[in-house]
Order: sequence, then structure tokens, then C-alpha cells
Amino acid sequence: GQQVMQIPQYQHVQEGEDFTTYCNSSTTLSNIQWYKQRPGGHPVFLIQLVKSGEVKKQKRLTFQFGEAKKNSSLHITATQTTDVGTYFCAGPGDRDDKIIFGKGTRLHILP
Amino acid sequence: SAVISQKPSRDICQRGTSLTIQCQVDSQVTMMFWYRQQPGQSLTLIATANQGSEATYESGFVIDKFPISRPNLTFSTLTVSNMSPEDSSIYLCSVGYGTGGRYEQYFGPGTRLTVT
Repeated sequence: GQQVMQIPQYQHVQEGEDFTTYCNSSTTLSNIQWYKQRPGGHPVFLIQLVKSGEVKKQKRLTFQFGEAKKNSSLHITATQTTDVGTYFCAGPGDRDDKIIFGKGTRLHILP
Repeated sequence: SAVISQKPSRDICQRGTSLTIQCQVDSQVTMMFWYRQQPGQSLTLIATANQGSEATYESGFVIDKFPISRPNLTFSTLTVSNMSPEDSSIYLCSVGYGTGGRYEQYFGPGTRLTVT
């Protein structure tokens, strides 16, 4: 079935360093979404990418959708302690009303 | 976006009993979903509970074990029936805005269930 693969599973970075998580699919995606879940919290919608090669920025976060619409990345510049959490990508499932979540990348910031 | 509340926020239950989780949204929405999340794991979709139709369950989840109600556009319940320790998890409801597989999901705070 449909699935999105996410790497790495865990990432430890020093505060101030950059961080990137990657999401890959074996099939072309109509869109890709990114969510952030803080420890003890619930997933929060960050962004949706729809167009081939699309790049969107939210302050220190840069989201990219690959030209073939099979991969995506989230890059955080100069990480801060507030960036701690798990970042999930999500893509369309096998129905219009279904979304499949990747396994997530857990980001830990070292002070 | 939407403001979503869930009740209870957490519960400890005896095996063999049932728990009904409520999800309330502050605005009318067609698409509503129920997920399960083990600590440190990803989200597993239990069922889609769109208003006006029967809930659609994912593989591995059945209506007898997880009956869902969706009486109106702002409310849904998920019941975890005949619980066992394997049902211990966080249960999340979410709502979707958008169409054609391109929708954004907004999640409730979750219900942490422990079955003893």
C-alpha cells in the first residue's frame, strides 16, 4: 500500500546547528504535508506542498517538494530549544479522505 | 483551523471494560478521523468518521471493537470495547479541511488510555 519513508529516525544536534529530515515515496504524491509534535503534545499542521519543485519558508524552516513529487525535505536553520519534537511528513493514502504519516524524525537539541 | 477538545484527557481502566472518548469541535466539519499513537511512534489511522456516512475502518480495526458515532458536524465518539492491556495508547481525533486528498488535519489533545 501507500507509504512514505522518513529519515533519519532520530537526530541530535547542538543548539545553533542546522537540521534536515527527509521524506520519500515510491509513488508520485499529489501533495505532501508536514506536522510537528512536541513532547507530550499532539501533532500540529505546519505546511502543505502541492507543486513540483515547490519551496516554502516559515521563518527558520524551509520545506521543499521534489521535482518528481516523490520526495520532500524540511530544513531548520540554527536550531533552538523550541524546535525539539518529532517532525512527521504525511502523504495521500489510497482514498481521497486518507492521509498516511511517516514514522517521524525525533529532534533532540543539545544545549 | 479549529479548536478541538477531547474527553477524558486520560484514564486508567480495567481489562474487559469499555471507554468512550468524546471529541468536540468548535466549528462544523465534515471530515473527522480517529488515530492511535503508541508513545514514541507514528500515528495509526483507526477510522474515518465523516458525517452522513458510516465510519470507514482501516485494516486491523473493526466496528465491534471500536464503535464510532458521528451524530452531527461538531461531535464524535470512539468507544474502545472489551479492553485489554494491548489497547493502552494515546487516542487522537482530528478534523480535515480541504478536498480531494489535499486537506490539512488539526488534532485534538489526545486521550491517554492505560488498561490494567
